[in-house]
Amino acid sequence: DTEVTQTPKHLVMGMTNKKSLKCEQHMGHRAMYWYKQKAKKPPELMFVYSYEKLSINESVPSRFSPECPNSSLLNLHLHALQPEDSALYLCASSQGSRANYGYTFGSGTRLTVV
Amino acid sequence: QQQVKQSPQSLIVQKGGISIINCAYENTAFDYFPWYQQFPGKGPALLIAIRPDVSEKKEGRFTISFNKSAKQFSLHIMDSQPGDSATYFCAARGNTGTASKLTFGTGTRLQVTL
Repeated sequence: DTEVTQTPKHLVMGMTNKKSLKCEQHMGHRAMYWYKQKAKKPPELMFVYSYEKLSINESVPSRFSPECPNSSLLNLHLHALQPEDSALYLCASSQGSRANYGYTFGSGTRLTVV
Repeated sequence: QQQVKQSPQSLIVQKGGISIINCAYENTAFDYFPWYQQFPGKGPALLIAIRPDVSEKKEGRFTISFNKSAKQFSLHIMDSQPGDSATYFCAARGNTGTASKLTFGTGTRLQVTL
């Protein structure tokens, strides 16, 4: 298995809702990442997990809450989002966070906040 | 400041032509330089990558040229095909503390015409 699987593919949520994005990989990668991508822009790093511990938080608002239950799973919990949070949310993984390994990206969750 | 500058913003090439995308970086601590290809509605896919101790790397129709002294690298797509029409991102990876970060260029939208 050489894929990163993200669910759901599409999500529409109200500003008062609580929802979660899920990411799964079975490649034995020990680093996992959340990125946010707006239309026609490059991906922007949000969080890095290394060996299931949060190692980088790029000053992301607390309405985004990451969780890494085990080495294969990464969640992003969403609460009280704003319309400007609408974007493609990408999960990625790599063999290690410090070594020079390529990232494998999932296809993303297209999030719309109404 | 960690930055990767990418040009051109958009590129139109005829089928069979050569597509060239350029990137420049400032941080000499970057030590891994991947290129990603992204189709609409999909996550970025690793195309080819290079380390700074190598001046050129070729994989099929894709070649990275790397100039360490100038802090520049470029992607050449030979015999460009309509199926190559996508957005291309250069990136650079550097280690910060306990983890590493992938910084993306601004992207180039490539259109290959018949």
